Amino acid sequence: DVKVTQSSRYLVKRTGEKVFLECVQDMDHENMFWYRQDPGLGLRLIYFSYDVKMKEKGDIPEGYSVSREKKERFSLILESASTNQTSMYLCASTIQEGPYEQYFGPGTRLTVT
Amino acid sequence: AQSVAQPEDQVNVAEGNPLTVKCTYSVSGNPYLFWYVQYPNRGLQFLLKYITGDNLVKGSYGFEAEFNKSQTSFHLKKPSALVSDSALYFCAVRNPRYNNNDMRFGAGTRLTVKP
Repeated sequence: DVKVTQSSRYLVKRTGEKVFLECVQDMDHENMFWYRQDPGLGLRLIYFSYDVKMKEKGDIPEGYSVSREKKERFSLILESASTNQTSMYLCASTIQEGPYEQYFGPGTRLTVT
Repeated sequence: AQSVAQPEDQVNVAEGNPLTVKCTYSVSGNPYLFWYVQYPNRGLQFLLKYITGDNLVKGSYGFEAEFNKSQTSFHLKKPSALVSDSALYFCAVRNPRYNNNDMRFGAGTRLTVKP
């Protein structure tokens, strides 16, 4: 089974702090994604990566950056956390091409106070 | 552009009754369509997908979905609901013209199955 893990299930940070969310997948998938999930808005794509050191902006990249130094690991960085970044963050991965579903991690619920 | 709409925020059904969770999509050409389920404090789990071929797709946990091209819909169905089916359901669409596997999700529908 594909396994996508995220470094924390729950995280509480203060406004202005730098926050790192880590995601690791064990299926050698090329593509990895970061979403945020908010009630009534569904999942919104923040960034995705289709290869090591490659990244593409999603729909809501402002206030976020990403890093992919190794194929299995995709990090989401909040340079200076703000209260409006309080949300559920979901990481996913998939094979690069073809009609394949995305596999999701358990999510990180981030609260910024 | 591609998008998906789930017109119902909430669906309530009694255990044993059939359930339907609605999804409509907008994408140029032939879409790939997906359903995911999310249980409380968990990530999304894949249920089923439509790629091509038979319009009725069967998936995990007894769920099925019907692709209707003329109505641009992909409704999720189950003949007999269980209390354990209570969860948040997401429909998603991908345009196969793009190779980045970018997927668009609906806002989600909360299904509650009452005993």
